[in-house]
Amino acid sequence: EDKVVQSPLSLVVHEGDTVTLNCSYEVTNFRSLLWYKQEKKAPTFLFMLTSSGIEKKSGRLSSILDKKELFSILNITATQTGDSAVYLCAVERTGNQFYFGTGTSLTVIP
Amino acid sequence: DSGVTQTPKHLITATGQRVTLRCSPRSGDLSVYWYQQSLDQGLQFLIQYYNGEERAKGNILERFSAQQFPDLHSELNLSSLELGDSALYFCASTRGGDRINYGYTFGSGTRLTVV
Repeated sequence: EDKVVQSPLSLVVHEGDTVTLNCSYEVTNFRSLLWYKQEKKAPTFLFMLTSSGIEKKSGRLSSILDKKELFSILNITATQTGDSAVYLCAVERTGNQFYFGTGTSLTVIP
Repeated sequence: DSGVTQTPKHLITATGQRVTLRCSPRSGDLSVYWYQQSLDQGLQFLIQYYNGEERAKGNILERFSAQQFPDLHSELNLSSLELGDSALYFCASTRGGDRINYGYTFGSGTRLTVV
């Protein structure tokens, strides 16, 4: 059965800390892995990863994919209160099907 | 504003009823995806349409159906509603070629409450 598992489920850190969010998957016919940030409503796109070992970076956020070990990590450095959100990992398989993890809830306290 | 428009924002209806959720994709996007997000099940992919044709199906119940019209807006029809259908329903669109940079853009969702 295809599945996406995110860990930890929840994380509380102080501003300035660095966090690493994990996403492991078992999905046949893998096509891509996506990271989203969900605050109050709609998820907003962060990264799409298709190749192993190539880091994608956007400001304080970065992500990398390991297709051999079937996982991805999302790093956030120098966290700010505005980073508080649920971070969703999704895996797309061929045929345009998507599987989402249940998310990691990140709370950054001042 | 993401450019993906969903209406209505909130919907409260009784069990057994039928509702229609509407989604207008970003200008130029041909693909529309529907997702259901409930507290206990997270975000679930329901169905995808591309330029009017069904492309992929996920965990969509038989009581649910969708279509995409020539103007590319899409509707998700939910019938014989049950309490467990209460959820946030998202629509997302993509313009295909630049998915790697822009991914899939989500609308702000329709909150459905079945009472």
